[in-house]
Amino acid sequence: DTEVTQTPKHLVMGMTNKKSLKCEQHMGHRAMYWYKQKAKKPPELMFVYSYEKLSINESVPSRFSPECPNSSLLNLHLHALQPEDSALYLCASSQVAGGTGELFFGEGSRLTVL
Amino acid sequence: GENVEQHPSTLSVQEGDSAVIKCTYSDSASNYFPWYKQELGKRPQLIIDIRSNVGEKKDQRIAVTLNKTAKHFSLHITETQPEDSAVYFCAAIAGFGNEKLTFGTGTRLTIIP
Repeated sequence: DTEVTQTPKHLVMGMTNKKSLKCEQHMGHRAMYWYKQKAKKPPELMFVYSYEKLSINESVPSRFSPECPNSSLLNLHLHALQPEDSALYLCASSQVAGGTGELFFGEGSRLTVL
Repeated sequence: GENVEQHPSTLSVQEGDSAVIKCTYSDSASNYFPWYKQELGKRPQLIIDIRSNVGEKKDQRIAVTLNKTAKHFSLHITETQPEDSAVYFCAAIAGFGNEKLTFGTGTRLTIIP
């Protein structure tokens, strides 16, 4: 199994809503990532979890709250988002954080904030 | 931190011709350079990578070259096919101890039948 699975595929939410994005991998990878991708732009790193501990937070606003319940799961909790947060949110995993390992991306969750 | 520049931003090539995409990086400590392909509406997927102890790597119609002295690396696609149409991102990372992969700005490659 070389899949990273993300749910939901599409999400529409209002600025006062609370929602969560979920990501799952069963490749035994110990590093998991959240990226944000705007149209026609490269993926932009948000968070890195290494061995279930948050190791990088790229100065992301607190309205985005990551959680890594175990080595296979990664959540991104969303609260009080702004319309400019509308984007494709990509989860990725790799064997370990950094180094020279391949990043495996999920298909992404396309978020629209009204 | 690392800065990766990528050119061109768009590239149109006749089917069967070759395509070349170039990237430069700023951090001399960078030692791993992957290339990701992202088709429209799809996830980015690794197509080829190169480590700093190698100057060139080839996989069928795709090759990557690395010039560490000049701090640039290039993707070469030969005998292009319609399914090569996608956005290509180069990236760089300074290996162990650095967890952040820095992406280039992307190249939209269009293969003209």
